[in-house]
Amino acid sequence: DTGVSQDPRHKITKRGQNVTFRCDPISEHNRLYWYRQTLGQGPEFLTYFQNEAQLEKSRLLSDRFSAERPKGSFSTLEIQRTEQGDSAMYLCASSFTDRAVHEQYFGPGTRLTVT
Amino acid sequence: AQTVTQSQPEMSVQEAETVTLSCTYDTSESDYYLFWYKQPPSRQMILVIRQEAYKQQNATENRFSVNFQKAAKSFSLKISDSQLGDAAMYFCAYRSGDTLAGSYQLTFGKGTKLSVIP
Repeated sequence: DTGVSQDPRHKITKRGQNVTFRCDPISEHNRLYWYRQTLGQGPEFLTYFQNEAQLEKSRLLSDRFSAERPKGSFSTLEIQRTEQGDSAMYLCASSFTDRAVHEQYFGPGTRLTVT
Repeated sequence: AQTVTQSQPEMSVQEAETVTLSCTYDTSESDYYLFWYKQPPSRQMILVIRQEAYKQQNATENRFSVNFQKAAKSFSLKISDSQLGDAAMYFCAYRSGDTLAGSYQLTFGKGTKLSVIP
């Protein structure tokens, strides 16, 4: 069990560019979640997958955001036409449905800076 | 919608002393889970302790314990024998227990920054 990993750890991009982040969950975990955390705030839910199906999306997930989990393993989060307001830490978490509490385990995050 | 409030933006504690972090939440549900997560500087979020709402007994994990007051919708975290490594942001989080509704998202408070003074 190597934990949840995310790549890249840091990303600096210019406004208007597209960016893509990757998350690799803990291997046996079938649920995967994306959160966004801005400075001084707690994480806010964006979306989650059970296996390859995207089951819930937050209103925070605008049309410029898209997430995929094509084979039910890793996931990608893409932001198109980035804006300065997209600057934040993007956190990925995973959990296992066979455990009643569905405890979520977090990755280290990808810090996005839009200039 | 559920909300989680952490009213203490910052707290400090002397090493080896005890500190209590406060959390209140608002929900109309009877079945839910509460969590405390720790986020050290530039490091990933770690689950510290959890509490199932249907359990009356307060959860305990080594030096960490909670005071869960369901009627008051209060969920405080007590850290005993504080250590330098306890310095971090602490987030209180809520999750619905209504799995039929399919909402597994965590709702977080804004966090409390804990400093440990040597």
